[in-house]
Amino acid sequence: ILNVEQSPQSLHVQEGDSTNFTCSFPSSNFYALHWYRWETAKSPEALFVMTLNGDEKKKGRISATLNTKEGYSYLYIKGSQPEDSATYLCAFNQAGTALIFGKGTTLSVSS
Amino acid sequence: DGGITQSPKYLFRKEGQNVTLSCEQNLNHDAMYWYRQDPGQGLRLIYYSQIVNDFQKGDIAEGYSVSREKKESFPLTVTSAQKNPTAFYLCAVRGGSYGYTFGSGTRLTVV
Repeated sequence: ILNVEQSPQSLHVQEGDSTNFTCSFPSSNFYALHWYRWETAKSPEALFVMTLNGDEKKKGRISATLNTKEGYSYLYIKGSQPEDSATYLCAFNQAGTALIFGKGTTLSVSS
Repeated sequence: DGGITQSPKYLFRKEGQNVTLSCEQNLNHDAMYWYRQDPGQGLRLIYYSQIVNDFQKGDIAEGYSVSREKKESFPLTVTSAQKNPTAFYLCAVRGGSYGYTFGSGTRLTVV
C-alpha cells in the first residue's frame, strides 16, 4: 500500500515567523505531487501541482519544492499570518491513479 | 459559476438505513472521486469514476456503492453494510491546471 507521510502533525507559530512542512512519498513511478490548503468548513483549496524533479513553485508568501528522486516535498510559509491558519494537505499520485493523501499538517498562527 | 455541489451538508442516518450523498459538477470534467475523512486520518479513497458508466473501487469501498449515469453526477450510497459510516465525505473532480477541485463535503452521522 502506497503511503504519504507529513510532518509535523501540527504546528503553532507566532505571527511573522517563517515555517516549513515536509511531505514524503514513494519515489517510484512518480507522476505528480499536490499541495492543498484546507480551512475548517471550506473545501480544500489547491496551492500547487508539481511534476518535475527540482520544481519550485511560489504563490505569494507560500512556496514549495520537489525532490522526486528521494521522494519528498517541502512547503514553506514566509512571515506567517493568522489567516494562514489551516490544515495543509500533501497528495501524490502515479500515472493513471487517484491521489493518495497524507494526514496533513495543521498550522496555527497567533497574532 | 463552475464548481462542485455536494448535498446535503449534514446527514443523519439510523442504524440499518441506506443513505445517498449527492455530488454534482458543471466543470465538464470526466473523472470524479469520493474520499472519506475520519479524525486524525488523511483522506481515503472510496470510489472513483474516469468516465460515464464506469467506476472503480478505491481503498475502502466495502459498504459503499456508486453510479455514474451522467457526466455531471456521481452519487455515493452508504449502505447498511458499512459498519462505521460516521465521517466527513468529500467529492472531487479532476481537471484543469490545478488538478483536483473539491466540493464542500457532507458530514454523515449515525444516530
